[in-house]
Amino acid sequence: NAGVTQTPKFRILKIGQSMTLQCTQDMNHNYMYWYRQDPGMGLKLIYYSVGAGITDKGEVPNGYNVSRSTTEDFPLRLELAAPSQTSVYFCASSPGLGAFFGQGTRLTVV
Amino acid sequence: DAKTTQPNSMESNEEEPVHLPCNHSTISGTDYIHWYRQLPSQGPEYVIHGLTSNVNNRMASLAIAEDRKSSTLILHRATLRDAAVYYCIPPGNQFYFGTGTSLTVIP
Repeated sequence: NAGVTQTPKFRILKIGQSMTLQCTQDMNHNYMYWYRQDPGMGLKLIYYSVGAGITDKGEVPNGYNVSRSTTEDFPLRLELAAPSQTSVYFCASSPGLGAFFGQGTRLTVV
Repeated sequence: DAKTTQPNSMESNEEEPVHLPCNHSTISGTDYIHWYRQLPSQGPEYVIHGLTSNVNNRMASLAIAEDRKSSTLILHRATLRDAAVYYCIPPGNQFYFGTGTSLTVIP
């Protein structure tokens, strides 16, 4: 069972570069989420989606964009990477109660 | 938005029960209480959820206070693999992960 798959697992970006973090789930869940986790801290919600074609901002959306063209995929786009975006990014999906998380993408911006 | 209060850290001896408390003073009647845990270098993992009555699954038990303003996650026999950060998610604010309780299991 694949569950929630995130790619890449690790990435180093230079300041000002852009990239897309991929997230796909095979559980047909309507709800999907992107979080970031800074060292020693809890998770902070970046964006979420309640279904294909619907997205909304979370607590820390600045510097990020998302799209949800299919139920399975929920990519996170970083435009003009900044050192403050160095973090571990987690994608999650949910059928409504309880969420399943991916293994994370560790991003370093230098 | 609803928040929770959890101790920053707790310790337990291996093979002993662990009771992890959480206060969620703002709660409505239809909001579920969720618990997750995060093992080192991994994504959070769903543990259990409940509404009013106590709940059990293969991982843990959840005891919910009668007024639902607090809950306790119970690990019946702590193992080394249970060392993790445990997050209590506020009812009605399923997006909020605070800093959780870091559980250390002592061999």
